[in-house]
Amino acid sequence: GIQVEQSPPDLILQEGANSTLRCNFSDSVNNLQWFHQNPWGQLINLFYIPSGTKQNGRLSATTVATERYSLLYISSSQTTDSGVYFCAVLRSGTYKYIFGTGTRLKVLA
Amino acid sequence: DAGITQSPRYKITETGRQVTLMCHQTWSHSYMFWYRQDLGHGLRLIYYSAAADITDKGEVPDGYVVSRSKTENFPLTLESATRSQTSVYFCASGIERRGPPETGELFFGEGSRLTVL
Repeated sequence: GIQVEQSPPDLILQEGANSTLRCNFSDSVNNLQWFHQNPWGQLINLFYIPSGTKQNGRLSATTVATERYSLLYISSSQTTDSGVYFCAVLRSGTYKYIFGTGTRLKVLA
Repeated sequence: DAGITQSPRYKITETGRQVTLMCHQTWSHSYMFWYRQDLGHGLRLIYYSAAADITDKGEVPDGYVVSRSKTENFPLTLESATRSQTSVYFCASGIERRGPPETGELFFGEGSRLTVL
């Protein structure tokens, strides 16, 4: 089956720093989403991004489907950005989203 | 309010008991999903449903039963709970966008934390 790898697995930042999270996938996908799981366990939609670039405030994402990767950029990080970031891909020909193992981010005040 | 809700949010049960986790969505999404989340395994798909009365297995279906008699509800039943089914369970639903390829954004409920003693 399709493999979804995220890097780095863990990241510690000082407040105000910038970071880039990466998601690599091993096969063709029709869609890709980024989620943030906050410390209370809620899964929050960040981006629905099958291709191209999107921005939402301090966060932006880029997906290059032909090269099988996506990047999530966090600028001027805040303590509320802490949590786990997941990418999920939708395999071509199915409706089964497959999740990566996540990047655990901790932002220190 | 529109959205996706799960109940119960917390449940403690004993080995061998039957447990049903409920999921209800108000968007009329075609697709619904059940995931479990465990430390070291991330999110794994248990079952999904493309429409009422259409369900299919995911990665880890053993020990679980689902049904979908109505579009808005997708209950997950553990017929005889085991300790290995202690987990956080997430229900999700997604918009079906018409025309190939299959696309759609996934939305999650708040999760149900199940402990099997």
